[in-house]
Amino acid sequence: QKEVEQDPGPLSVPEGAIVSLNCTYSNSAFQYFMWYRQYSRKGPELLMYTYSSGNKEDGRFTAQVDKSSKYISLFIRDSQPSDSATYLCAMSDRGSNYKLTFGKGTLLTVNP
Amino acid sequence: DGGITQSPKYLFRKEGQNVTLSCEQNLNHDAMYWYRQDPGQGLRLIYYSQIVNDFQKGDIAEGYSVSREKKESFPLTVTSAQKNPTAFYLCASSTTAWVSNEKLFFGSGTQLSVL
Repeated sequence: QKEVEQDPGPLSVPEGAIVSLNCTYSNSAFQYFMWYRQYSRKGPELLMYTYSSGNKEDGRFTAQVDKSSKYISLFIRDSQPSDSATYLCAMSDRGSNYKLTFGKGTLLTVNP
Repeated sequence: DGGITQSPKYLFRKEGQNVTLSCEQNLNHDAMYWYRQDPGQGLRLIYYSQIVNDFQKGDIAEGYSVSREKKESFPLTVTSAQKNPTAFYLCASSTTAWVSNEKLFFGSGTQLSVL
């Protein structure tokens, strides 16, 4: 079983839809959870950063972490065509120092 | 305008040739990283450096080499020993190497292809 599993999609939604992106993981030591957005042929940019379980909201974006289920989610409300990108989840534990473990990314297209 | 600059944006390698990818940052970050991204794959760590004149192998270091002579610069050389070099290469940095408490900032990437 891979450490981090992420459905690669592609996911296509109409403008204004609520989008749900998810990752599951196997390492119970993971404590820090991130979502990166990557536009085509660009570097990833940090979108959301959460520690341990719970929710975090930033504008139209909400990140959820359920450590008991080893499951994290990113919700995008009122999706816009500019949200069309690949979304990567990433996570690390207290002991891994340098190393983030990334999911493979989900390609999202928001159609006008 | 602070950030990470990678060059060139596109690079082509001939058989048996070594090529060097440039990465420069003006964020005053101690730690720098090189990742490789293949289509449909997650990012894989090649090398990282916690401080000047020090660097460590990541998960896929074979066929690559790095140097860290200056805080702001972390060039990656793809040697002829790397038999499958075609990929999108991403440089990143963070304030320190303790990623559990820090956030990675990425450059815009270099696409390397084999002629």
